[in-house]
Amino acid sequence: QQPVQSPQAVILREGEDAVINCSSSKALYSVHWYRQKHGEAPVFLMILLKGGEQKGHEKISASFNEKKQQSSLYLTASQLSYSGTYFCGTDRSGYALNFGKGTSLLVTP
Amino acid sequence: DTGVSQDPRHKITKRGQNVTFRCDPISEHNRLYWYRQTLGQGPEFLTYFQNEAQLEKSRLLSDRFSAERPKGSFSTLEIQRTEQGDSAMYLCASSLKTGQGYTEAFFGQGTRLTVV
Repeated sequence: QQPVQSPQAVILREGEDAVINCSSSKALYSVHWYRQKHGEAPVFLMILLKGGEQKGHEKISASFNEKKQQSSLYLTASQLSYSGTYFCGTDRSGYALNFGKGTSLLVTP
Repeated sequence: DTGVSQDPRHKITKRGQNVTFRCDPISEHNRLYWYRQTLGQGPEFLTYFQNEAQLEKSRLLSDRFSAERPKGSFSTLEIQRTEQGDSAMYLCASSLKTGQGYTEAFFGQGTRLTVV
């Protein structure tokens, strides 16, 4: 039931864009995206509910394709502060989240 | 209220000892989750509560693990007869379930357990 994330790691230069993907083999109720910096707790980014909606704030947005059980996180014009590990959490029933293994993102000057 | 708090932040214990962790969720949140995270992995679901009721528990969770949430407020996670494989970061999170859905889950800073 663990979602699969790709890529496993990304290195960007400041200002470049990145896409992180999350897919599940099971029907999903929602997808949640979190960012975790080393030694810190995961921090919530956004929730996407089934319906194919796209959400975002500032330069980070995400989409959810309910038919394909896939979600993508879009990071535009990356900043140094975007560095960290990104996790998608998938929810099949409105209860607890199952998290992927994460995508490590490093933004360099 | 400043968020989800966990205590202790670090715990070193000898193999075979019992340990107990505490989590205080955001006060108005009725859902509380426990996760375990090891290096390089995503948080692994352990169990969750809605108010005082434990609604789901991971099938992979050993019988040595037990959690409680008396009165639907704080929660405790106990590990009996600890093993070296139990060494991990134990994360607690809380969220608010309403009739229309639920809010995002906010995580605490975690309790890092080292079993020696």
